[in-house]
Amino acid sequence: GAGVSQTPSNKVTEKGKYVELRCDPISGHTALYWYRQSLGQGPEFLIYFQGTGAADDSGLPNDRFFAVRPEGSVSTLKIQRTERGDSAVYLCASSLNPGFGYGYTFGSGTRLTVV
Amino acid sequence: QQQVKQSPQSLIVQKGGISIINCAYENTAFDYFPWYQQFPGKGPALLIAIRPDVSEKKEGRFTISFNKSAKQFSLHIMDSQPGDSATYFCAANRETSGSRLTFGEGTQLTVNP
Repeated sequence: GAGVSQTPSNKVTEKGKYVELRCDPISGHTALYWYRQSLGQGPEFLIYFQGTGAADDSGLPNDRFFAVRPEGSVSTLKIQRTERGDSAVYLCASSLNPGFGYGYTFGSGTRLTVV
Repeated sequence: QQQVKQSPQSLIVQKGGISIINCAYENTAFDYFPWYQQFPGKGPALLIAIRPDVSEKKEGRFTISFNKSAKQFSLHIMDSQPGDSATYFCAANRETSGSRLTFGEGTQLTVNP
């Protein structure tokens, strides 16, 4: 597609439920990133994929968070036993190659609200 | 740990004026410094970026000034327009980190007509 697509755009879930957030990167982009943006804050890094593998998952806050990218394209961020503190906008970005100079393209994000 | 500090938190400028946003970083290993623009309901979009081997980069009305010794960099928006009203984020990364970006907290810019 022309840009990074994230679905759903909005998700409201009850505390304790499981959610999946999807990211479709730009075709051909090998690097894919997940960030979390809380209200009034800058995005915070969660995880980075190069191809199918997670090259850096050091930003995942705890073991309730998990992400996959099985075929090196679409990625899914999975959150178990959601908590109210997980409420945020989850942003996905992709780039042709990692390394500066290429820049990211971000999607519009999924706004997750845990009630 | 706040590795990139951004100021001011909010900024109001008259149309035609100059908007200046400042950032300071701590990690001397950072070697790429982009600025992103974000409109409500959208993801951040790359505006302009600089590497530490130059002290200034200009693209149209946007200029980054970089001071390596002070570990500071700033964004200047010349002839600010109402359409520039958005949230601006500075960021930094190390190439060896695979482009993991560390963002500042953001500056909400309002340009009055």
